[in-house]
Amino acid sequence: GAVVSQHPSWVICKSGTSVKIECRSLDFQATTMFWYRQFPKQSLMLMATSNEGSKATYEQGVEKDKFLINHASLTLSTLTVTSAHPEDSSFYICSAPEIGTFSYEQYFGPGTRLTVT
Amino acid sequence: TQLLEQSPQFLSIQEGENLTVYCNSSSVFSSLQWYRQEPGEGPVLLVTVVTGGEVKKLKRLTFQFGDARKDSSLHITAAQPGDTGLYLCAGGDTNAGKSTFGDGTTLTVKP
Repeated sequence: GAVVSQHPSWVICKSGTSVKIECRSLDFQATTMFWYRQFPKQSLMLMATSNEGSKATYEQGVEKDKFLINHASLTLSTLTVTSAHPEDSSFYICSAPEIGTFSYEQYFGPGTRLTVT
Repeated sequence: TQLLEQSPQFLSIQEGENLTVYCNSSSVFSSLQWYRQEPGEGPVLLVTVVTGGEVKKLKRLTFQFGDARKDSSLHITAAQPGDTGLYLCAGGDTNAGKSTFGDGTTLTVKP
């Protein structure tokens, strides 16, 4: 299956600073990637759809000015959490889809644990 | 908005027991995926079902897609501690260009 990597795997930052998380498709090109947020023992919450060469599409309730997404190439999407606050602490996961004739499968990165102090 | 409901939300069983997880929706999906996620890692795709009534087996795991393509089930036979994790069903929507995820089932298998 397709391989997606994320960097860093964990990060601790101080309140008010910004943090950038990278998501890379290693063996395929991804014109679309997805960013999710996950709280302990809960499902994935889609934050935004990252589109190569165009603006990201944000889900309702997600602040686009706080969670900046850039998809500058076919293998890299970045999520920047700006002016981070403790409530932004979470597990962030990216994915890239493999689209078949009838199926829509997601290949996930290993996730990034963000802790804001 | 398409929604997927999973049940049960939490399940704790002894090694060797059988279990079934359900995934239900009022909407029809072109395909449905099951993923397993271990703590601190990203979800991993287990299976995709496409055809109504389809049954797929993956060792001790049996996946079924409902005839109307609105629901699915995951049955695990003789569960092992290594099966512990969060199980997620997801409806793949090629038209919407994204997946809809269920609420997840946290499975704990005690040795």
